[in-house]
Amino acid sequence: EAGVTQFPSHSVIEKGQTVTLRCDPISGHDNLYWYRRVMGKEIKFLLHFVKESKQDESGMPNNRFLAERTGGTYSTLKVQPAELEDSGVYFCASSPLTGNTEAFFGQGTRLTVV
Amino acid sequence: AQSVAQPEDQVNVAEGNPLTVKCTYSVSGNPYLFWYVQYPNRGLQFLLKYITGDNLVKGSYGFEAEFNKSQTSFHLKKPSALVSDSALYFCAVLYSSASKIIFGSGTRLSIRP
Repeated sequence: EAGVTQFPSHSVIEKGQTVTLRCDPISGHDNLYWYRRVMGKEIKFLLHFVKESKQDESGMPNNRFLAERTGGTYSTLKVQPAELEDSGVYFCASSPLTGNTEAFFGQGTRLTVV
Repeated sequence: AQSVAQPEDQVNVAEGNPLTVKCTYSVSGNPYLFWYVQYPNRGLQFLLKYITGDNLVKGSYGFEAEFNKSQTSFHLKKPSALVSDSALYFCAVLYSSASKIIFGSGTRLSIRP
């Protein structure tokens, strides 16, 4: 069974550019989460989808961040325009809606804004 | 507010000695508790979880954790540490299957030979 996959694994962009991160959850998982870890700090919640609906987007830092999950399958997180403070590792995770099991995480996308 | 606390930024243990990584959580209903580990240049890996039942749960790589409701704690333990256990450990809490997972700040575990 394939795990959660994220693309790209690394991205280096200039300030002001646009970057789109992609997450493919485990098939059948209705919960999809985005998290971010800035160097040396805690893992911060960004957004939670249940199927294609945004259940909780209280962690999105500002309107430069846009997340979508069309059709309730894969999700994208777009940062436009990117700022230096957006650098960090972006993790995606998925879990089933029932059963209260653990969330499965992708390897993360390391974003560096220069 | 719902939260998770890991009071130690770093824990240093000699190989072969027991280790404990501490975690406490804020009380709100019946939370589900998890431990994740992150090795260098890797994603987060699930270690173990407490949902209900026996307060002592066993997980991967010989780790275990004890749920203590009165102290609202879920400390991670291992009887005999290995150098390969050196990594970053995160405690996490989930308050319902439709809510977000909340992470602690992480504890860096360093096992010296």
